[in-house]
Amino acid sequence: AQTVTQSQPEMSVQEAETVTLSCTYDTSENNYYLFWYKQPPSRQMILVIRQEAYKQQNATENRFSVNFQKAAKSFSLKISDSQLGDTAMYFCAFQTSGAGSYQLTFGKGTKLSVIP
Amino acid sequence: NAGVTQTPKFQVLKTGQSMTLQCAQDMNHEYMSWYRQDPGMGLRLIHYSVGAGITDQGEVPNGYNVSRSTTEDFPLRLLSAAPSQTSVYFCASTRGANQPQHFGDGTRLSIL
Repeated sequence: AQTVTQSQPEMSVQEAETVTLSCTYDTSENNYYLFWYKQPPSRQMILVIRQEAYKQQNATENRFSVNFQKAAKSFSLKISDSQLGDTAMYFCAFQTSGAGSYQLTFGKGTKLSVIP
Repeated sequence: NAGVTQTPKFQVLKTGQSMTLQCAQDMNHEYMSWYRQDPGMGLRLIHYSVGAGITDQGEVPNGYNVSRSTTEDFPLRLLSAAPSQTSVYFCASTRGANQPQHFGDGTRLSIL
């Protein structure tokens, strides 16, 4: 079974600064997918970024980027130029690869507060 | 395009009552799933379905029942509600393996 660990229950960052959220995972699989989801106070689950384990290049989506270290089983999220709208819970999630692989395993989340 | 629709958004039940949480998607996705979110626990998989007529258990299935008679709908049933089932419930769907999942807006359920 896979496990996902987010070691920072809460974090804060000044507006316009950069913050990095940590995520580590444990798996015996070689191919898999990793995700970061954002959950604002509205409760919606919003996909922020997706990384395919067989791709060495780190995924980037505008101000969001990841540092994927496959050997260390680490998948951190960097938010640049933080904005007030980035205030939310952030969840790291793991999904195995291959046919029939649909289940997501989530970490416990990191509550991020962006301070004006 | 509605995506994944969950009803109701909020519900309060008494212990022992039964209830069905509704989930519908209009994207013709084969895979649907139910998660519960508890404080400090992240989201945990309750049940999932890989297509009409096929369901299976996730990490925390006890106390819940599901069926999938159509591609569009995947209801979650609580047969005899217990306070431990107080949680926020999310339904999700995806086109197939390794595709991003689409989540509904969640149902906040309180059991007294």
